[in-house]
Amino acid sequence: DIQMTQSPSSLSASVGDRVTITCRASHSISTYLNWYQQKPGKAPKLLIYAASSLQSGVPSRFSGSGSGTDFTLTISSLQPEDFATYYCQQSYGNTLTFGGGTKVEIK
Amino acid sequence: EVQLVQSGAEVKKPGESLKISCKGSGYSFTNYWIGWVRQMPGKGLEWMGIIYPGDSDTRYSPSFQGQVTISADKSISTAYLQWSSLKASDTAMYYCARSRAAAGNWFDPWGQGTLVTVSS
Repeated sequence: DIQMTQSPSSLSASVGDRVTITCRASHSISTYLNWYQQKPGKAPKLLIYAASSLQSGVPSRFSGSGSGTDFTLTISSLQPEDFATYYCQQSYGNTLTFGGGTKVEIK
Repeated sequence: EVQLVQSGAEVKKPGESLKISCKGSGYSFTNYWIGWVRQMPGKGLEWMGIIYPGDSDTRYSPSFQGQVTISADKSISTAYLQWSSLKASDTAMYYCARSRAAAGNWFDPWGQGTLVTVSS
């Protein structure tokens, strides 16, 4: 199976900060990498697909980049509604796997 | 509007069986895959498996193979996740989600989740 490692596991940031979350795959996955946001008590929501494509309706402050084994999710200017947990997910292999998650908290 | 609506919360005893459901609407149910994802209390997301309702082609994560059964009834646009003998460790939130393919794609949208509690 392809393992996905996210870092950091948590971070504290202020409104307006630029936030970067990284995700590393144990094997090359081309650009088969997606990002989800999950708020407490809610289902995950797709933010970015195919490493860098913004899902319809998602604010443009969210962006994704990377290919191969190293990927990043960037929030250009953190907003109050962005405090949540973020997960990466690879869809390259027959066994899909998620990263462990990054919890973004208010500083 | 594309929607996945899951069945309600369940409280079961160890050893009991259970089948939870996920009903799709607003799209052609037989043309998309439905995946299932587990989230144990306070933990991350784990992919369990995926089914193509059009022909019932089903793939399982090795971690869940033999532990659960995924099925679908395309006549009522509903996918299912079932257990024959629940364990306390099956206590979790379970989500279904739609995908265009078994691999190389993404999950959108997601159902609201079904909380399964297994306790004696």
